[in-house]
Formats: sequence, C-alpha cells, structure tokens
Amino acid sequence: GAVVSQHPSWVICKSGTSVKIECRSLDFQATTMFWYRQFPKQSLMLMATSNEGSKATYEQGVEKDKFLINHASLTLSTLTVTSAHPEDSSFYICSARDLGETEAFFGQGTRLTVV
Amino acid sequence: AQSVTQLDSHVSVSEGTPVLLRCNYSSSYSPSLFWYVQHPNKGLQLLLKYTSAATLVKGINGFEAEFKKSETSFHLTKPSAHMSDAAEYFCVVSDRLTDYKLSFGAGTTVTVRA
Repeated sequence: GAVVSQHPSWVICKSGTSVKIECRSLDFQATTMFWYRQFPKQSLMLMATSNEGSKATYEQGVEKDKFLINHASLTLSTLTVTSAHPEDSSFYICSARDLGETEAFFGQGTRLTVV
Repeated sequence: AQSVTQLDSHVSVSEGTPVLLRCNYSSSYSPSLFWYVQHPNKGLQLLLKYTSAATLVKGINGFEAEFKKSETSFHLTKPSAHMSDAAEYFCVVSDRLTDYKLSFGAGTTVTVRA
C-alpha cells in the first residue's frame, strides 16, 4: 500500500508555544488529507479535511484558529497547534487519499504533550 | 448519515482460538467498509476492505470479514489468534454521499491470553 509519513512521532512543548506536525505522502499524490485527534482509549475524531490548494474544512467544535492546517502541495499537509495548552495534549493522526480513490492511508501518528 | 457500531468494547481470547469482532454499520448509500488495527502509540494499519466486490474479504495476517447487506454487518474473524494480534481494532465505513469521509467505530480492544 501507499506510504504516509508523519513527523514528528512525539513532541513535548511548553504551554503557549506552537507546534507543527507534518504529514507527507511518499509515493502518491494526496489530493485530500484528513487530520484526526485521538484521546486515550478512544476512537479517532475527525478534526478537519483539507484539499490541496484550498482552505481546510473543519468539523463542528474544532477551532480553526487553534489548529491551523495548510495543504500547499500534493504531498504535504501541516497541522499547527497554536498557543498550545495542556488540554491539547493528545495523539494526532493524519491520513491521505488520492483523487478518485476511496481508501485513505494513515500516518504513524504524533504524540503531543504540552507541559 | 453513516455510522458504525462495534458491538464489543473488549474481546479476550486464548492463543490459538478463533477471534470474532462484531461490527454493524448504517449507510444510506453503497458503503465501503474497512477494518483497521492499531498497536499502542502507532498509526492505523489496514487489515482489509470491502468495496462492492466479493462479499467475503480476505485480509492480512489471516483475518477475513464478510459483508452481509441484509444484516448490515461486517464482522471480522480469524481462525487462530496469535499473541501479536493483541491491539485495538476499528471498523470504519465510508460512502459517496459523504465524499468518502471515514466514520469510525468506537474500537474493540483485543487481548490474547497465553
């Protein structure tokens, strides 16, 4: 299957700082990328959907000014957690899908800890 | 709207015995159905998928699932559990009406006893 690389795999940051997470499709063009958040022992919650070259569509209840998503190229999307607080600590996972495909491929996830 | 219900939050089996993870779905259009596995602090790995071809789908690591439209089910099975099968399993549905956004079940934790 196709490969999606997510970086970093874990990060610790101080409250009030911003953190950027990258999601790259390595061997296909990701026209659509999805960002999820996962709390311990819970399922994945979709945060936003981004299409290359256009603004991301955020799910209800997700603060777009807090979670900035950029999808400037067909192989890269970034999620920036701005002014992070301890309650933003979570596991963030991206997935990527090519145009016309139904299957999405997942990154390895990023464990964010805000102290 | 599409949704998924995983009927068991936790399944415990002995090594070498069969595994059954139950999943029921709701979709207003022809769905695509997936089973993913997640090991601790890892991303998701696709076990198998159904996309309107054969109703019995074979996946990796000896897993298989059967799509039953009349029962709106997509249960995952494996004839003989291995210790490495201990993980979290997610049943997922998508369809064209939602532009193939994935809807996740709550997950089933599988533990395997030696």
